[in-house]
Amino acid sequence: DVKVTQSSRYLVKRTGEKVFLECVQDMDHENMFWYRQDPGLGLRLIYFSYDVKMKEKGDIPEGYSVSREKKERFSLILESASTNQTSMYLCASRGRDFSGANVLTFGAGSRLTVL
Amino acid sequence: AQSVTQPDIHITVSEGASLELRCNYSYGATPYLFWYVQSPGQGLQLLLKYFSGDTLVQGIKGFEAEFKRSQSSFNLRKPSVHWSDAAEYFCAVGVEGGSEKLVFGKGTKLTVNP
Repeated sequence: DVKVTQSSRYLVKRTGEKVFLECVQDMDHENMFWYRQDPGLGLRLIYFSYDVKMKEKGDIPEGYSVSREKKERFSLILESASTNQTSMYLCASRGRDFSGANVLTFGAGSRLTVL
Repeated sequence: AQSVTQPDIHITVSEGASLELRCNYSYGATPYLFWYVQSPGQGLQLLLKYFSGDTLVQGIKGFEAEFKRSQSSFNLRKPSVHWSDAAEYFCAVGVEGGSEKLVFGKGTKLTVNP
């Protein structure tokens, strides 16, 4: 089974701090994603990466950046955290399943609170 | 651009009752369709998917979904709900050709009464 690991499940940070959210996948997938999940808004795509050092903005990239130096690791960076970035952050990796279909596999999520 | 509508924000059913969660999508070409489930505090788990072929697809945990092109729908069903099915369910659509981006609905929260 594909494993997507988000190392920090719960974080509490202060306004203005720099925050790193790490995500690692173990199946050599090329495509990785960061979503933000808020009640009533569903999942919104922040950034995705289709290869090492390649990235593309999603629907809500403002206030975020990403880094993909190695294929297995995709990091989300909040340069200066703000209270409106308090949210659940979900990382996903995309690759072919047993049927040959491209599917997303999600990590368990990182719940960030910014005070 | 594609979009997904889940008309029901919250549904409550009794254990053992049947379940249908609605999903409507908007996209001109042939879509790829997915249902994911999220237990509290967890990530999303894939329940089932439709890519092509048989319009009735079977998934894990006894769920199935039917793709109806004429109605632009992909409703999720289960004949008998278990208490452990209480979770939030998300429908998602991707575009033919393997677009990297999925568009998700806003989710339906399922409560199961004993």
